[in-house]
Amino acid sequence: DGGITQSPKYLFRKEGQNVTLSCEQNLNHDAMYWYRQDPGQGLRLIYYSQIVNDFQKGDIAEGYSVSREKKESFPLTVTSAQKNPTAFYLCASKEKQQDNSPLHFGNGTRLTVT
Amino acid sequence: KNQVEQSPQSLIILEGKNCTLQCNYTVSPFSNLRWYKQDTGRGPVSLTIMTFSENTKSNGRYTATLDADTKQSSLHITASQLSDSASYICVVGGTTSGTYKYIFGTGTRLKVLA
Repeated sequence: DGGITQSPKYLFRKEGQNVTLSCEQNLNHDAMYWYRQDPGQGLRLIYYSQIVNDFQKGDIAEGYSVSREKKESFPLTVTSAQKNPTAFYLCASKEKQQDNSPLHFGNGTRLTVT
Repeated sequence: KNQVEQSPQSLIILEGKNCTLQCNYTVSPFSNLRWYKQDTGRGPVSLTIMTFSENTKSNGRYTATLDADTKQSSLHITASQLSDSASYICVVGGTTSGTYKYIFGTGTRLKVLA
């Protein structure tokens, strides 16, 4: 079955450490996205990529970095510069960035930094 | 400012009852509006999409309405089931400066009791 796989489901890190969240899709989608979900807030866009080797900052990119070396993969690194990294992170993809197709979401990674 | 507001914030109903969730938006330009269902600890899944010209769309026991003049949408759930317990997120999409963007509501958390 086609879909988006995020790993790990839960991640615990000490403050000051960088951590990378994995996102893989086999839907042959061009566009991929990273969102952050916090209680009481709507999803906020961190980074998105329209095509391989391209990515753009979203609304809250500070303290995060991404890469898009392969169409299937869009890993997110949460750096020590991110002031409040504890959150639920969702990866999504869609066929083309500009079209009307729905976002397909992974099942998220819950990151806890202490 | 582009915003999507949902009400109520949370809702508890008995199994078999109907309920209606509300979404008001001030997003411009507007392209379409989607309702997503998000189970606890999982990624959101698309329920319906509505474009500017559509007033009503159904997906099984879910019926979405859209009034583009008043910028309001509702999601009506008929004969609720325990599996309907989830958060329901209203998402408005539109193109700004050549980039397709999504504005997410904060969601309505629905609990269906036996």
